[in-house]
Amino acid sequence: GENVEQHPSTLSVQEGDSAVIKCTYSDSASNYFPWYKQELGKGPQLIIDIRSNVGEKKDQRIAVTLNKTAKHFSLHITETQPEDSAVYFCAACRWGYSSASKIIFGSGTRLSIRP
Amino acid sequence: EAGVVQSPRYKIIEKKQPVAFWCNPISGHNTLYWYRQNLGQGPELLIRYENEEAVDDSQLPKDRFSAERLKGVDSTLKIQPAELGDSAVYLCASSLPDRYGYTFGSGTRLTVV
Repeated sequence: GENVEQHPSTLSVQEGDSAVIKCTYSDSASNYFPWYKQELGKGPQLIIDIRSNVGEKKDQRIAVTLNKTAKHFSLHITETQPEDSAVYFCAACRWGYSSASKIIFGSGTRLSIRP
Repeated sequence: EAGVVQSPRYKIIEKKQPVAFWCNPISGHNTLYWYRQNLGQGPELLIRYENEEAVDDSQLPKDRFSAERLKGVDSTLKIQPAELGDSAVYLCASSLPDRYGYTFGSGTRLTVV
């Protein structure tokens, strides 16, 4: 089955600087890679996702990149703000396969933004 | 639209006692998931429903855990009897079959003492 590894486990950056979180996956058939943000006491919230037919996707200050050959994908947050402080999870999935549409999560990165 | 609703938000029980969690998915979402999230870890799938059918329950500890989704809408996850190691946040999520990704509820934080 799929295995997703995520690093770093904790990340502290100065407000205004960029943050990068990296993940690798094992199942070459995975075709959908969402990123979730989880704030204290809340469920994970989808912030951006990318499909395997796309190499990069951007949404304002957030961007994701995907390298299918290396089975790597990354989250980039630019111009970080205090409200970006949270735990971020990468995930991978064989979306659309009726027997396998389950999202496998990484272990999370706790991002802290220093004022 | 209303999100995925879970109750209760918090539950503290003694070991060996039963406990149940309830989930109301987003209207029209026929796929429902139960995940367990241990402290400091990512969520792990317990069971997935397509309408009222459990299509993936390979990760559900069937000796003590059970789930049901009557009429393909609300779902209940039960633990009987609870053990200390069951302390975790239990998350429910739902999705449409033709849309990418799914939406999580806020979860139920279970503490077994």
